[in-house]
Amino acid sequence: NAGVTQTPKFRVLKTGQSMTLLCAQDMNHEYMYWYRQDPGMGLRLIHYSVGEGTTAKGEVPDGYNVSRLKKQNFLLGLESAAPSQTSVYFCASSYMNTEAFFGQGTRLTVV
Amino acid sequence: EDQVTQSPEALRLQEGESSSLNCSYTVSGLRGLFWYRQDPGKGPEFLFTLYSAGEEKEKERLKATLTKKESFLHITAPKPEDSATYLCAVRTKGSARQLTFGSGTQLTVLP
Repeated sequence: NAGVTQTPKFRVLKTGQSMTLLCAQDMNHEYMYWYRQDPGMGLRLIHYSVGEGTTAKGEVPDGYNVSRLKKQNFLLGLESAAPSQTSVYFCASSYMNTEAFFGQGTRLTVV
Repeated sequence: EDQVTQSPEALRLQEGESSSLNCSYTVSGLRGLFWYRQDPGKGPEFLFTLYSAGEEKEKERLKATLTKKESFLHITAPKPEDSATYLCAVRTKGSARQLTFGSGTQLTVLP
């Protein structure tokens, strides 16, 4: 039982490049989330999903897209990376409106 | 707008010196308050969920309490291994599907 697994753990991108972060959970949770964490800013919600095939915007969605084609996977895409997207990204999942469980994070640097 | 404020931003304690961390919230109907612990380079680890004023939860040296305006995380006789950043988060009536986080309290326990 791995919980929430994020891939990759580290990545360096050049400005304008694209990439996809993958999140997988094996707890059969309905809800999944993508957060970014920056020094002094706490965890800010980017996008979330309440079920397969559904997504919604969070607090800071600009510059990101997401997809939830399978219940266990939630993908976060950056179409044209910018230095302002340098951050640590966390995926989480929850059983409906209960506590969320987090992955170990992806450290992304955009140069 | 829902707001979650944690204080202090940082706290240094001697081993065995008990103290409390504060999480105050201004929300439109609380649907759950959650405490997490985050170690450097790791994802947040779930500690407690509180749903109603007067509720208390305990785990080892930690005790979480909830009032109508704030939550406290009491740390009794802390040890160096309790050093971490402690985060609180809320689900609200207007945004039950989202978890909104405070910016955290960085706790350092000195031996």
